[in-house]
Amino acid sequence: SQTIHQWPATLVQPVGSPLSLECTVEGTSNPNLYWYRQAAGRGLQLLFYSVGIGQISSEVPQNLSASRPQDRQFILSSKKLLLSDSGFYLCAWMAARSYNEQFFGPGTRLTVL
Amino acid sequence: AQSVAQPEDQVNVAEGNPLTVKCTYSVSGNPYLFWYVQYPNRGLQFLLKYITGDNLVKGSYGFEAEFNKSQTSFHLKKPSALVSDSALYFCALWSGGYNKLIFGAGTRLAVHP
Repeated sequence: SQTIHQWPATLVQPVGSPLSLECTVEGTSNPNLYWYRQAAGRGLQLLFYSVGIGQISSEVPQNLSASRPQDRQFILSSKKLLLSDSGFYLCAWMAARSYNEQFFGPGTRLTVL
Repeated sequence: AQSVAQPEDQVNVAEGNPLTVKCTYSVSGNPYLFWYVQYPNRGLQFLLKYITGDNLVKGSYGFEAEFNKSQTSFHLKKPSALVSDSALYFCALWSGGYNKLIFGAGTRLAVHP
């Protein structure tokens, strides 16, 4: 069966520090991968998605970037965190075919102070 | 343009009563619709999806959803609510050729004993 991992589970970082969040998927190959941010326990904002190694689509201009160095690894990064980067970050995967459901990781709670 | 609307921020239900969480959509082609649930500080869990076929879709934890093409709705239902159903519920629409889901803003369900 497939599983998705995210780490760390929680993170507290000072403003201006770098960020690296990692997401890995097991039990599948060539998945579509997604990064979302959720603020204040409500709506989801799609940040990035990837349909293959090295292929990244950015949904909104922001202080963050994403990379996919391996088929089942998706990394969210920032060179300098802003207060507004605080939130709950969720990674998700989906089988690479239309209208399949997405499966979400447990999330990372980021607090920027 | 494709969109999903969840018109209620919060739904309050007494335990044992039926519950409905509303979702309407707008899409130019065939709609592919999903429901997810999120418990506090957790990732989203897939409940059910409508792709084609029977308008009544059954999913996890006793939930079901009714697809209504004329009303462009996909309401989530459960015959008898449990306190443990209290959570945040998201409706989502497959975006077609863009490899992503369009999520509604979420509805918080509170089931009272």
